[in-house]
Amino acid sequence: TQLLEQSPQFLSIQEGENLTVYCNSSSVFSSLQWYRQEPGEGPVLLVTVVTGGEVKKLKRLTFQFGDARKDSSLHITAAQPGDTGLYLCAGRLVFGNEKLTFGTGTRLTIIP
Amino acid sequence: DAGITQSPRYKITETGRQVTLMCHQTWSHSYMFWYRQDLGHGLRLIYYSAAADITDKGEVPDGYVVSRSKTENFPLTLESATRSQTSVYFCASKETAYNEQFFGPGTRLTVL
Repeated sequence: TQLLEQSPQFLSIQEGENLTVYCNSSSVFSSLQWYRQEPGEGPVLLVTVVTGGEVKKLKRLTFQFGDARKDSSLHITAAQPGDTGLYLCAGRLVFGNEKLTFGTGTRLTIIP
Repeated sequence: DAGITQSPRYKITETGRQVTLMCHQTWSHSYMFWYRQDLGHGLRLIYYSAAADITDKGEVPDGYVVSRSKTENFPLTLESATRSQTSVYFCASKETAYNEQFFGPGTRLTVL
C-alpha cells in the first residue's frame, strides 16, 4: 500500500494550459516536499511546505499544503515545455525524522 | 568534482551475482540514503545512514547490504542479485535531518 498517492499518474497537455497535480494520503505529515526529476537525473527539490494551509509560489508554480497536512497540490500556470518532467511529492511523517516517504509520481509532458 | 556521484551509471549482471553500487559525496554530509525507483512505486528507501558506522533499514532492505566506514562513501551491495532487483538506484545525502536532500544521477541496474 502506497502511503502517498499522486494523481494523475500521467498528464500530457498543450503549452499555455494550466494544470494541477495532487498528492494525497490518509496520514498526517509534519512537512511535505515537491521534487522534479528529468530523464537520466536524480530528483531536485522545488519546495518544502510545513504549515497546514500553507501556499508557496515559485514563478508559475503554486504549491499548497492541505489544512489537515494530509494532502498537497501543485498548480502550474501557462505550462511551458521546460516544465516537462516527473513530479514527486515526499512527506516526512514525524517532525525531525530524516526519512522521507515518496509519492508514486506524476509524469508531465508539455506539448509545444 | 564537488557534489554527489554514483558509479557505475549502468550495470548489467546475472541472477546470483554480487553487485556493488558506489556512492560518493564531497560535502561531508552526515546523512546518506539509498533509494530504488520503479514505475508505479516512486522512490522507496532501501537503507540510510546518519553518520559513519551508523546504518539503518528503510522500507525495502531485503537482499541489500550497506556499509559506511567513511563519511563520504556509502556503497550498496546486492549479495545475490535477483531479477526483482532490476531498477534505477539513487543515492542521496543531506547535512542534517532538516536540510534539503541532494540526489546523485542514479545507477540503472539490470539483472538478467
